[in-house]
Amino acid sequence: EAGVAQSPRYKIIEKRQSVAFWCNPISGHATLYWYQQILGQGPKLLIQFQNNGVVDDSQLPKDRFSAERLKGVDSTLKIQPAKLEDSAVYLCASSLMASGNTIYFGEGSWLTVV
Amino acid sequence: EDKVVQSPLSLVVHEGDTVTLNCSYEVTNFRSLLWYKQEKKAPTFLFMLTSSGIEKKSGRLSSILDKKELSSILNITATQTGDSAIYLCAVGVYSGGSNYKLTFGKGTLLTVNP
Repeated sequence: EAGVAQSPRYKIIEKRQSVAFWCNPISGHATLYWYQQILGQGPKLLIQFQNNGVVDDSQLPKDRFSAERLKGVDSTLKIQPAKLEDSAVYLCASSLMASGNTIYFGEGSWLTVV
Repeated sequence: EDKVVQSPLSLVVHEGDTVTLNCSYEVTNFRSLLWYKQEKKAPTFLFMLTSSGIEKKSGRLSSILDKKELSSILNITATQTGDSAIYLCAVGVYSGGSNYKLTFGKGTLLTVNP
């Protein structure tokens, strides 16, 4: 079974530039998550989708971050404009449903803002 | 605010030693507790513990959930250099109806020296 796919794996941008990350969850998984993991910390939830609807974006910095999951499958996370403190690994994860199944992670997109 | 605390934050042992990693939590609407292993990539799932499954074992790894003490331990016996990684504890909670999300601790960095 294919896992959660993410791209790009690595990205270096200058502050105030924009960047977009793409995620394809495990086939059939209705719930998709974007997490931010800053070095030395555990992952922090940014946004959660159930199919193509947002169910939790309380920790998403909406002035610069946006995410969408238009057809209930793939998702993109965008940062515009980027700040130095956005340097982190952006992890996409998926689960079968939102009711407590195991959550599986992709390999992450490593962002460095200089 | 939901809180997950792991200890120790880092640990150095020799091959063959037994280690115990700790995780305590203060959350509302507890659903499950999960352990992940993170090497230089995405977290990989180890165990999920719930009220109906408070003890899990796989090879040299085992974990117990203590719902009374709001904590869990992860034991690794006969450690190997390949066990070197960050071990993440996450608590699954219901947030808003049946929506389910994970709150992570900062992780324990385990280094196993030959």
